Amino acid sequence: GAVVSQHPSRVICKSGTSVKIECRSLDFQATTMFWYRQFPKQSLMLMATSNEGSKATYEQGVEKDKFLINHASLTLSTLTVTSAHPEDSSFYICSASPLLVQETQYFGPGTRLLVL
Amino acid sequence: AQSVSQHNHHVILSEAASLELGCNYSYGGTVNLFWYVQYPGQHLQLLLKYFSGDPLVKGIKGFEAEFIKSKFSFNLRKPSVQWSDTAEYFCAVNGIPPRNKLSFGAGTTVTVRA
Repeated sequence: GAVVSQHPSRVICKSGTSVKIECRSLDFQATTMFWYRQFPKQSLMLMATSNEGSKATYEQGVEKDKFLINHASLTLSTLTVTSAHPEDSSFYICSASPLLVQETQYFGPGTRLLVL
Repeated sequence: AQSVSQHNHHVILSEAASLELGCNYSYGGTVNLFWYVQYPGQHLQLLLKYFSGDPLVKGIKGFEAEFIKSKFSFNLRKPSVQWSDTAEYFCAVNGIPPRNKLSFGAGTTVTVRA
């Protein structure tokens, strides 16, 4: 149980284009999903907290117009990297907190984004 | 603000050796504590968690952790490691509202030599 999926697992795009990453909780409902960025050999950096049906809460220094988050249902959140640049290349990871155990997060496998 | 520090950046040990990874946090209120593991090429998996009760927590794969409130610590231990324990280990804490927002330590890379 408590499986979180992400799609795509890898994406390569040209500079200036937009990329959408999906995060799904497969066997549970999640009122809250989180988006992280992980740089090589470093820890996870929280980008934003996404609550179903409301606007996402972004961490300091994260551009909300660049990283658009939509949490349309209790099982799906999307992160869109708009007008991507090479410095946006990174490993993006989502997590989800079950309705009944909101203190615990279950992580997706991550999406490797490479912007050329 | 809450912060998490992991003392060791990289630990190298032989199979059957004992492992202890340090984790300290800074936050004076009630906290929930977690250890996550990331095996090479895989996603983060929850090893164990502490919410309340017995401060000695048993997790998966033979891992355990002890919450010592007076020391603000939550160290991870395994009596006898295996080669398959080679991974990145992250300590995480949530406490301040929203209570499910996690703060991660920098991670410790554990390399187990056969």
